[in-house]
Amino acid sequence: EAGVTQSPTHLIKTRGQQATLRCSPISGHTSVYWYQQALGLGLQFLLWYDEGEERNRGNFPPRFSGRQFPNYSSELNVNALELEDSALYLCASTRGLAGGTLQETQYFGPGTRLLVL
Amino acid sequence: AQSVTQLDSHVSVSEGTPVLLRCNYSSSYSPSLFWYVQHPNKGLQLLLKYTSAATLVKGINGFEAEFKKSETSFHLTKPSAHMSDAAEYFCVVSERTNAGKSTFGDGTTLTVKP
Repeated sequence: EAGVTQSPTHLIKTRGQQATLRCSPISGHTSVYWYQQALGLGLQFLLWYDEGEERNRGNFPPRFSGRQFPNYSSELNVNALELEDSALYLCASTRGLAGGTLQETQYFGPGTRLLVL
Repeated sequence: AQSVTQLDSHVSVSEGTPVLLRCNYSSSYSPSLFWYVQHPNKGLQLLLKYTSAATLVKGINGFEAEFKKSETSFHLTKPSAHMSDAAEYFCVVSERTNAGKSTFGDGTTLTVKP
């Protein structure tokens, strides 16, 4: 069974640009979670999508946004990039709400490392 | 509301000696608890989880953790450290059956000396 995949593995942008990160969940999983792991700041919850809808959002400004596609893959967009957006962005997936019981265990992808210059 | 505190940001042990990584949690309901490991530049891998069954949970790579409700703790242990155990470890508390309500600890970096 293929795990969670993320692309690209590395992304270099300059301040003010936009970044798009992609995530494909495990087959059969409908929930996707995004996290930011900045140096020294631990893992911060960004967004949770299930069945195409945003279910929960962390304490991040609106320039962090995303969406989930009908095939349950997801995109994270970061607009007007700032230097402090440099971080490892992790995606995780679980079985979703439609399965009856939302699974607790998150399965993580390898991450996208974003560097803002 | 829920929170999780990893009591040590760094732990250093010698190869072959026991490992103890401490985690305390608070939750207004019966939570699920997890330990994840992250090797450098990699994603997180599940080590073990507690979801209301046996309080002593065995995970991969010889790790185990004990859920102690009276102490609100979920410490991670291993009898004998290997060099390959050097990594960052995260304790996570989650509303049961709802990963969308997860809170991660700040992480503990484990160093294993030869």
